[in-house]
Amino acid sequence: GDSVTQMEGPVTLSEEAFLTINCTYTATGYPSLFWYVQYPGEGLQLLLKATKADDKGSNKGFEATYRKETTSFHLEKGSVQVSDSAVYFCADRRAAGNKLTFGGGTRVLVKP
Amino acid sequence: DAGVIQSPRHEVTEMGQEVTLRCKPISGHNSLFWYRQTMMRGLELLIYFNNNVPIDDSGMPEDRFSAKMPNASFSTLKIQPSEPRDSAVYFCASSFGSGQNTGELFFGEGSRLTVL
Repeated sequence: GDSVTQMEGPVTLSEEAFLTINCTYTATGYPSLFWYVQYPGEGLQLLLKATKADDKGSNKGFEATYRKETTSFHLEKGSVQVSDSAVYFCADRRAAGNKLTFGGGTRVLVKP
Repeated sequence: DAGVIQSPRHEVTEMGQEVTLRCKPISGHNSLFWYRQTMMRGLELLIYFNNNVPIDDSGMPEDRFSAKMPNASFSTLKIQPSEPRDSAVYFCASSFGSGQNTGELFFGEGSRLTVL
């Protein structure tokens, strides 16, 4: 079945470092792709999304590009802040249906 | 505007007891989702509703779990009888749209369940 695979954490970085979190999907068809972020003690919230190949989603300095040739949607940020410490989830939505399939989450810890 | 509201935020109960988790989706949203989050299994979709009708309950672990959505503004997830392995954070989420046009999922803050 469909699945989303993302790199395991935790990822520990210093402030202003470059962040990359890898995500690949195996959904057939043309899924929409998402990154959600979960701050401590909170529910998930949408960070960015892309609905077709070569689309780039961006928000709060984060970017991810929908790469159909490599079935990937890697998340990047050029200069992280302590406030970016959170768990990041990659997800896809199949062409038919409302269901989002989430990856296992990647915990990111940014140290001052 | 109020977001997705879940209650209780925390529940501690003993094995064998009935647990009821509640969710009020965002007004106007027509899809509602129940997720469970644990360290071991991550985020799992249990069931989702569209226009109050259950569409996919393949993620419901077993018959001890049941979910209802009697109207567009309320849903419950019930566990009877509860077991220690049910301990998790249960999230409710809602969205607007259907099929390929489903919009962003908005999550509640979760209900943390501990079964002793």
